[in-house]
Amino acid sequence: DAGVIQSPRHEVTEMGQEVTLRCKPISGHNSLFWYRQTMMRGLELLIYFNNNVPIDDSGMPEDRFSAKMPNASFSTLKIQPSEPRDSAVYFCASSPPPTGPNTEAFFGQGTRLTVV
Amino acid sequence: AQSVSQHNHHVILSEAASLELGCNYSYGGTVNLFWYVQYPGQHLQLLLKYFSGDPLVKGIKGFEAEFIKSKFSFNLRKPSVQWSDTAEYFCAVITGGSYIPTFGRGTSLIVHP
Repeated sequence: DAGVIQSPRHEVTEMGQEVTLRCKPISGHNSLFWYRQTMMRGLELLIYFNNNVPIDDSGMPEDRFSAKMPNASFSTLKIQPSEPRDSAVYFCASSPPPTGPNTEAFFGQGTRLTVV
Repeated sequence: AQSVSQHNHHVILSEAASLELGCNYSYGGTVNLFWYVQYPGQHLQLLLKYFSGDPLVKGIKGFEAEFIKSKFSFNLRKPSVQWSDTAEYFCAVITGGSYIPTFGRGTSLIVHP
């Protein structure tokens, strides 16, 4: 399996532009997480999907952030408009159904976003 | 809501020194516990995990962790570190009623050759 695949790996954009981050979870995994990593705040959960349905989006910073999961193999995180304080590494992670001791989350390589 | 505390934010060691990184969580029920490692510029990878049974868990690359329920702790240890262990280490917990991993702030480990 190729693991969790994120694109792009790096994104540099100007303030005010729309940014879309993409994630393909591991096949068969039914939970998907978006995390943001910064020096100041560490790893923060933005949103959690289960079976393509958003279950917990309490970590989404504000209305500028939105996430979708149209099917089991694809999710997007969109920032519109982007601001310099959104600069961070965004990780997508997926995990299998919790039917046993295999509920660990598998992380993608991350997208390093820089908003100038 | 559960939380995870990693008390050591930065640790600097020489090769062959012993390592112990602290992790405490706040939740009174059933927990699943994890340690992840993030090498420079890379994604998080699982080092080890605890679900049940023997509280002493052995992971990859010589790491181990001990779950002490009475102390709400899951400290990571390695008897002799190597330069290649330089990385950021994250403790995480999944509590009984949730499927969401909550992460600690992370501990940055630098090992000098």
